[in-house]
Amino acid sequence: KAGVTQTPRYLIKTRGQQVTLSCSPISGHRSVSWYQQTPGQGLQFLFEYFSETQRNKGNFPGRFSGRQFSNSRSEMNVSTLELGDSALYLCASSPLIGTANSPLHFGNGTRLTVT
Amino acid sequence: QKEVEQDPGPLSVPEGAIVSLNCTYSNSAFQYFMWYRQYSRKGPELLMYTYSSGNKEDGRFTAQVDKSSKYISLFIRDSQPSDSATYLCAMRNVRNTGNQFYFGTGTSLTVIP
Repeated sequence: KAGVTQTPRYLIKTRGQQVTLSCSPISGHRSVSWYQQTPGQGLQFLFEYFSETQRNKGNFPGRFSGRQFSNSRSEMNVSTLELGDSALYLCASSPLIGTANSPLHFGNGTRLTVT
Repeated sequence: QKEVEQDPGPLSVPEGAIVSLNCTYSNSAFQYFMWYRQYSRKGPELLMYTYSSGNKEDGRFTAQVDKSSKYISLFIRDSQPSDSATYLCAMRNVRNTGNQFYFGTGTSLTVIP
């Protein structure tokens, strides 16, 4: 079974630009979560989607947004990029939501560098 | 204060040693715990998860949860150079209907041949 696939693996953008990251979950998984990983803060929750609906959102500004499609694939968008947005963005999928047997399975991330 | 605290290390041990990795947490509503391993330039890989206090064993790995002390541990027996990675603890509030997890910042482990 294929794992979580994230594209692209690396991105370099300039301040003020916007960026879209893509995530394909494990087949059959309906929940997709996004996390930002930085050396100082570790993994921080961005948002979570289940059945095309955003179920939870972390403490990030409105510049960070996402969506989920009917095939469970998800995209994350960051507008008006800032230097502090440089990070590894991780997508994780799980088969269900809110149950004990729903651990997260991560992709290898998209490394975003903002210059 | 962060909800999950984890000593960042780095931790360096000789091959064959027993490794102990630990996290503490402040929210008593956390009841679902996981350990992940992350190699450089890779995403976190699920090692173990548990939903209760006590020990859970899987091969060379043992996860231990002490809810009364709000303390979780991961033990690695007979450590190998291939275990060199960053280890992340994660936990979820079962009152949350979603899959939002809270992570430690990770402990960097090096196993020396």
